[in-house]
Amino acid sequence: ETGVTQSPTHLIKTRGQQVTLRCSSQSGHNTVSWYQQALGQGPQFIFQYYREEENGRGNFPPRFSGLQFPNYSSELNVNALELDDSALYLCASSPPGQSYNEQFFGPGTRLTVL
Amino acid sequence: GESVGLHLPTLSVQEGDNSIINCAYSNSASDYFIWYKQESGKGPQFIIDIRSNMDKRQGQRVTVLLNKTVKHLSLQIAATQPGDSAVYFCAENGLSSGSARQLTFGSGTQLTVLP
Repeated sequence: ETGVTQSPTHLIKTRGQQVTLRCSSQSGHNTVSWYQQALGQGPQFIFQYYREEENGRGNFPPRFSGLQFPNYSSELNVNALELDDSALYLCASSPPGQSYNEQFFGPGTRLTVL
Repeated sequence: GESVGLHLPTLSVQEGDNSIINCAYSNSASDYFIWYKQESGKGPQFIIDIRSNMDKRQGQRVTVLLNKTVKHLSLQIAATQPGDSAVYFCAENGLSSGSARQLTFGSGTQLTVLP
């Protein structure tokens, strides 16, 4: 069974640029959540995708957007990058069924904004 | 907004001793809690969970205790090993703005196991 994978591993961008991060969910999982983890902090919920629709969002501005594809993989897009967007971006997938489902995390993408 | 917080940012224990990591939460409606372990360069890894209708749950070398009266939970690790060195997060699994269940994490406790 393949776990959650994310690409790229590391990324360096400059202010004002746009970035796309990718996530492949664990086999059989149809729900994907994205989290932002600043250095020394716990992860913060960005949004969740289920059946290719956003079905929940945290306190992040609209320049953070996403997609989910028919194979349940997902993208996180961030426009007009700011220095404070520098963080580890984590993707987590969950299996179908019950509400209290464990979320399985990928290794993350480390984004640095200069 | 609601938050999940930890009492101590760092904890050092001798190898073989038991470790106790504490966490306070503020949302009395919270009904599901999870402990995660995060090693350097990796994503959070599920350790153990507990629902609000329980006050104790045991796993392999780990026990989670939930005290709803004071809105506190703890993670106990028995016979701590060097491989247990990591940052530990408690998280509340609750409803987001939509129908999604989101995880709300605390800031973490760095556990260091001393030889």
